[in-house]
Amino acid sequence: DAKTTQPPSMDCAEGRAANLPCNHSTISGNEYVYWYRQIHSQGPQYIIHGLKNNETNEMASLIITEDRKSSTLILPHATLRDTAVYYCIVRGFSGGGADGLTFGKGTHLIIQP
Amino acid sequence: NAGVTQTPKFRVLKTGQSMTLLCAQDMNHEYMYWYRQDPGMGLRLIHYSVGEGTTAKGEVPDGYNVSRLKKQNFLLGLESAAPSQTSVYFCASSYLAPLTYEQYFGPGTRLTVT
Repeated sequence: DAKTTQPPSMDCAEGRAANLPCNHSTISGNEYVYWYRQIHSQGPQYIIHGLKNNETNEMASLIITEDRKSSTLILPHATLRDTAVYYCIVRGFSGGGADGLTFGKGTHLIIQP
Repeated sequence: NAGVTQTPKFRVLKTGQSMTLLCAQDMNHEYMYWYRQDPGMGLRLIHYSVGEGTTAKGEVPDGYNVSRLKKQNFLLGLESAAPSQTSVYFCASSYLAPLTYEQYFGPGTRLTVT
């Protein structure tokens, strides 16, 4: 699986959009980009994933650049409850996809009141 | 629907003691996983299972054993605990590929080995 690079921490004002960048310059054609988050002391929570196209769900939007070497997770109206560590993970499906996720250190997003 | 549950939530062991962590899921998922998380770090995969009766090693399997006798349960065993195994342990489960987009995580077990 390709490596990812994320800033260690970011601040965002409550009510504003939080934009979390991720670099994955060695991503290969069959690898997906996933985002998870971990609120303090809890288990990680899936947010969104994508391959090439931009994706949106009820939690967030995922923007993937055309060359797929980087992506941005957007939380459109951040709340205090969005304070968490956000993990960007790149993963293919070799071996049937059963092997686990590779977590880096992520970005600690702090929402300021 | 409880999702993924883990037992116990906290445990303190002395060096050399053994224990078993239990993970249970009620979503009929085929795949189950055990991760550990050390302070300030991301999660690392210990062992995983693609179905009842099968297990496989992950990134950091040494010192741990696992069993999947029933589809809904995945057990993680420490035969002789060491201080280096002090960590938070998370269990997760997911559907069969290609639907393994989302892994569902349990609340974690905090283990301290003194």
